Amino acid sequence: SQKIEQNSEALNIQEGKTATLTCNYTNYSPAYLQWYRQDPGRGPVFLLLIRENEKEKRKERLKVTFDTTLKQSLFHITASQPADSATYLCAEGGLPMDTGRRALTFGSGTRLQVQP
Amino acid sequence: DTEVTQTPKHLVMGMTNKKSLKCEQHMGHRAMYWYKQKAKKPPELMFVYSYEKLSINESVPSRFSPECPNSSLLNLHLHALQPEDSALYLCASSQFQGAVSQVSYEQYFGPGTRLTVT
Repeated sequence: SQKIEQNSEALNIQEGKTATLTCNYTNYSPAYLQWYRQDPGRGPVFLLLIRENEKEKRKERLKVTFDTTLKQSLFHITASQPADSATYLCAEGGLPMDTGRRALTFGSGTRLQVQP
Repeated sequence: DTEVTQTPKHLVMGMTNKKSLKCEQHMGHRAMYWYKQKAKKPPELMFVYSYEKLSINESVPSRFSPECPNSSLLNLHLHALQPEDSALYLCASSQFQGAVSQVSYEQYFGPGTRLTVT
């Protein structure tokens, strides 16, 4: 079965630096990967989606890559700010088991702390 | 309006109580989800509704009973819960996702209901 692994439980960086978070999958190459931000006691908020045939996606200070050879997605936040401190979750939608089946499997998340 | 609302925000219930969690969205999404999240763990899928029909039940105990009265509402009925059921319960919605070749959509999550079972 597919596992989504975010090996870094926590990451501390200085303000202004680039944060790089890693997401690995263990089995089949998913059709897409999604990245979410979650603040304590709140629901996840969608950030970016990258498809299997896309190598890179950008949105403002965020960048996501998808490497099917390494079975890995990297999530970058450039010019990081203390307000970026949160838990970041990687998720994949898997393969449809039947029509309409597109539920997400989440990685365990990486807690990012940006120090001023 | 890209908001998913959930009520109540907090709920404390005894093991013999019956309560319900409510979720509402007005984005026209036809897929709605219930997730359970324990502290410092990722959300775990419980149920998926597609076009108001239950399409996925991830082997959830029968003490959790979902209901989708219409395309905007999703309920989770709780009965005879155990203390280990205490968690953050998240509702989410997305556009309907059909065959592999179709575009995949992000999920919009509500703020969650913090449930404590005593």
